[in-house]
Amino acid sequence: DAGVIQSPRHEVTEMGQEVTLRCKPISGHNSLFWYRQTMMRGLELLIYFNNNVPIDDSGMPEDRFSAKMPNASFSTLKIQPSEPRDSAVYFCASSPRGGLDYEAFFGQGTRLTVV
Amino acid sequence: GNSVTQMEGPVTLSEEAFLTINCTYTATGYPSLFWYVQYPGEGLQLLLKATKADDKGSNKGFEATYRKETTSFHLEKGSVQVSDSAVYFCALSDGGAGSYQLTFGKGTKLSVIP
Repeated sequence: DAGVIQSPRHEVTEMGQEVTLRCKPISGHNSLFWYRQTMMRGLELLIYFNNNVPIDDSGMPEDRFSAKMPNASFSTLKIQPSEPRDSAVYFCASSPRGGLDYEAFFGQGTRLTVV
Repeated sequence: GNSVTQMEGPVTLSEEAFLTINCTYTATGYPSLFWYVQYPGEGLQLLLKATKADDKGSNKGFEATYRKETTSFHLEKGSVQVSDSAVYFCALSDGGAGSYQLTFGKGTKLSVIP
């Protein structure tokens, strides 16, 4: 298996522009997570899907952020409009199941820079 | 709510030195505990895990024991190598909280010098 695939790996955009990050989870995994990593705040969970349904989006910072999972093999995280404080590395992770002992498999991340 | 506290880094060690990275947690239920490792430019990878009290997780020479009485899960390695240089994250998952998400510590950066 190729693992969790994220695109693009790097994104530089101007403030106010729309940004879309993409994720393909590992086939057969039914849980998907979006995380944001910054030096100041560390790893923050933004949203969690189970069987394509958003379960917990309490970590989404504000209405400018939205996430979708139209099917089991694809998810997007959109920021509109983007702001410089959104600059971070965004990780997607998937897991084969819920439960107490699951392992999350992470993609390589998208480094977003908003100028 | 759930939380994970790790010792702050960075930690710099010479090759073959002994490593300890402290981790303590707070959880509403009875969590599973994990150590993840992040190499430069990569995503996180599971290093080891433990799902119940007194369990010891081990992998690649690293070990950590689930201590319920002290709510701790300290990471240890007897002899570090340059290739162990990375950021290490302690994490927990607590299904008792009604959500199976991982809660991470802030990470500890380890640098091993020859």
